[in-house]
Amino acid sequence: DGGITQSPKYLFRKEGQNVTLSCEQNLNHDAMYWYRQDPGQGLRLIYYSQIVNDFQKGDIAEGYSVSREKKESFPLTVTSAQKNPTAFYLCASSASANTEAFFGQGTRLTVV
Amino acid sequence: KQEVTQIPAALSVPEGENLVLNCSFTDSAIYNLQWFRQDPGKGLTSLLLIQSSQREQTSGRLNASLDKSSGRSTLYIAASQPGDSATYLCAVSRGSGTYKYIFGTGTRLKVLA
Repeated sequence: DGGITQSPKYLFRKEGQNVTLSCEQNLNHDAMYWYRQDPGQGLRLIYYSQIVNDFQKGDIAEGYSVSREKKESFPLTVTSAQKNPTAFYLCASSASANTEAFFGQGTRLTVV
Repeated sequence: KQEVTQIPAALSVPEGENLVLNCSFTDSAIYNLQWFRQDPGKGLTSLLLIQSSQREQTSGRLNASLDKSSGRSTLYIAASQPGDSATYLCAVSRGSGTYKYIFGTGTRLKVLA
């Protein structure tokens, strides 16, 4: 089955801790993305990667970090510098710019 | 600055009704527009992608149209079913070669049996 797998589905973090969200795709897509979704707001872009070993900041990158060491994987780290990390995080991929985007099932992060 | 609006925020219809969901954008210089479906607590499922040179796209009971000059797209759902209940989002690309999309806040649809 081709698709995007995000793990874990639910994640709880204590204040001051860093956590890493996993995103893996087997669609052979070059581009990958991380979005954040909050109630009543549209999806907001955190980071995106056009190709392996390259990534760019999106609209709300502060407090987040990413890596793209393999084509299939684009993990997102939510650092303690992110002041309001509780949200639903969505990973996506596309073959290239301006092509159809495919999404994972999301990770719900809660700070306790 | 591009803004994407979806009105209404929520909609309830009886089963079998044909319905139209709206998506408006402020800057007509878009490259393409994509419609998604999102079930509660789930990720987004791609429904249709319309290139800026196209007027419409169809998939099964779904038909999406695009009018760049007026800054509007509509998603038409024929013969609605309870299984169509979900939130529908539209997203517009910012330009050729871009990896950035701007999303609307969605229309939450409930189809009553």
